[in-house]
Amino acid sequence: DARVTQTPRHKVTEMGQEVTMRCQPILGHNTVFWYRQTMMQGLELLAYFRNRAPLDDSGMPKDRFSAEMPDATLATLKIQPSEPRDSAVYFCASGLAGIYNEQFFGPGTRLTVL
Amino acid sequence: AQSVSQHNHHVILSEAASLELGCNYSYGGTVNLFWYVQYPGQHLQLLLKYFSGDPLVKGIKGFEAEFIKSKFSFNLRKPSVQWSDTAEYFCAVKGDNDMRFGAGTRLTVKP
Repeated sequence: DARVTQTPRHKVTEMGQEVTMRCQPILGHNTVFWYRQTMMQGLELLAYFRNRAPLDDSGMPKDRFSAEMPDATLATLKIQPSEPRDSAVYFCASGLAGIYNEQFFGPGTRLTVL
Repeated sequence: AQSVSQHNHHVILSEAASLELGCNYSYGGTVNLFWYVQYPGQHLQLLLKYFSGDPLVKGIKGFEAEFIKSKFSFNLRKPSVQWSDTAEYFCAVKGDNDMRFGAGTRLTVKP
């Protein structure tokens, strides 16, 4: 049963600290998406990758957020320095490139910045 | 770029009531349409999807959605809701590039 995995599931940190969230896409999937979900803004697309190359990160605050794919089995989202307004659930999703394909979501990382 | 509108932010129904959640999108090209469900404390899961063919799509758990191209709509329906359908429902549209999600509709079903 292939699934997207995310670690950590929960993270509580203090303002100013670096936060790294990890995602393991489903094996064979070549697109990876990072979303942020908050009560106020709903589900926002932060960045997405195809074949490990970033295609769109316009939804991401550039000064503090960075997203990378060091290899095909790992995607990372970093926040440095973190701020209380970054508190949210961060979802990773993976899929196959092409118009017909759905995205499979991971369980999310619930981030709380104090 | 495509955008998605979900008209209802919060819907409250009693069990056995019928459900219809609205979804409209703006995009002139060919689209694929999805409904995702997020149960409390869980991640998003696919409920149903439309790619082509019959505009009435059947999904899991008795849900269905109808694609009306002329209205740019893809409304979700269920004839009789259950308490276990309490969740947040997201409509999503995929055009040429990435997938865009609506703001979501929170459904509360009273037992």
